[in-house]
Amino acid sequence: AQSVTQPDIHITVSEGASLELRCNYSYGATPYLFWYVQSPGQGLQLLLKYFSGDTLVQGIKGFEAEFKRSQSSFNLRKPSVHWSDAAEYFCAVQGGYNQGGKLIFGQGTELSVKP
Amino acid sequence: GAVVSQHPSWVICKSGTSVKIECRSLDFQATTMFWYRQFPKQSLMLMATSNEGSKATYEQGVEKDKFLINHASLTLSTLTVTSAHPEDSSFYICSAHSGQGGQPQHFGDGTRLSIL
Repeated sequence: AQSVTQPDIHITVSEGASLELRCNYSYGATPYLFWYVQSPGQGLQLLLKYFSGDTLVQGIKGFEAEFKRSQSSFNLRKPSVHWSDAAEYFCAVQGGYNQGGKLIFGQGTELSVKP
Repeated sequence: GAVVSQHPSWVICKSGTSVKIECRSLDFQATTMFWYRQFPKQSLMLMATSNEGSKATYEQGVEKDKFLINHASLTLSTLTVTSAHPEDSSFYICSAHSGQGGQPQHFGDGTRLSIL
């Protein structure tokens, strides 16, 4: 069965420091992978997505993620965190072209940013 | 980018009343729309999947008679919480999908439902 694991429930980083949020997935084939961000009381905003090809994908707001098949991982990174990046981050997998867009979400990682 | 509008953003109503939440895809045709429920500090819980023109598919444990979903057009889906009770209070989020594999879901801003 498909699953997504985000091992870190809560991470705190200092403003200006680098960030890496971990995501591991379980899926039998190459999945479609996504990172979303959610601010309090809001919906989810798409940060980036991976379909195929280049394993390093660039997203909005300076985020990037790297797909590593051997590690079943899709970690999200940002070289320098801004206070406005404080939010909840969700990794998600969509399995198969014919799955109709259904997503399996990780548990989420809450990011706090220290001044 | 793709825009999904969800309305209302916040609603308070008395126990026993019904509440309708609308989800509209403003700039693309949404073959499929999803409805989620989110509890504080938790991930999204998929309630149901609706395809335009057909009956919604509900996840296990979700009462279809309590949460009525209609997807009558490629740009509009509605969720009606019937005879709402305090335990139905939650944050409800919709998303829209083009139906093409590999494309992302695009989310509305959510509806905070409070039942008194």
